[in-house]
Amino acid sequence: QQPVQSPQAVILREGEDAVINCSSSKALYSVHWYRQKHGEAPVFLMILLKGGEQKGHEKISASFNEKKQQSSLYLTASQLSYSGTYFCGTAYNNNDMRFGAGTRLTVKP
Amino acid sequence: DGGITQSPKYLFRKEGQNVTLSCEQNLNHDAMYWYRQDPGQGLRLIYYSQIVNDFQKGDIAEGYSVSREKKESFPLTVTSAQKNPTAFYLCASSIGVGNEQFFGPGTRLTVL
Repeated sequence: QQPVQSPQAVILREGEDAVINCSSSKALYSVHWYRQKHGEAPVFLMILLKGGEQKGHEKISASFNEKKQQSSLYLTASQLSYSGTYFCGTAYNNNDMRFGAGTRLTVKP
Repeated sequence: DGGITQSPKYLFRKEGQNVTLSCEQNLNHDAMYWYRQDPGQGLRLIYYSQIVNDFQKGDIAEGYSVSREKKESFPLTVTSAQKNPTAFYLCASSIGVGNEQFFGPGTRLTVL
């Protein structure tokens, strides 16, 4: 039931873009995205519900492709503060969610 | 200030001892969760509770137990049956299951 995230890690220079993918083998009800900085608790970024909507949060946005059972997180013009580990959480109904293994993002000056 | 607290931040125990991790929230959330985090393995669900006096096993419940006697509290006991208890434990809460989760600062448990 755990979603699969890719890539496992990515290194960027400031100003570059990145895409993080989250895939499921089952039909999705919703997808959550969180970011965790080293030594801190995960922080909520956004929720996407089935319907293929796209959401945005500053320069971070996400899409949800219901047919492909996949969500993608887009980070544009990355900043140093974007560094951290990004987790997607997938739910197959409104009662159950599981997190992926995470994608470690490092933004360098 | 509303939030979710975990105590202690660091905990050391001898092998074979049970230990209880505290999790308290004053957000008036119905749902609460316990996750275990190991390097490279993300967040794995141990137990969750949708409402007082009710809880469900997650993917790695063996060797753990919980109680939910009060809405604001969801303590986790790591028993001696847990074969590899050393890990970082995170507690979270949400208005309801499926909503945005708010995480506590975590407890790092080391079993010697």
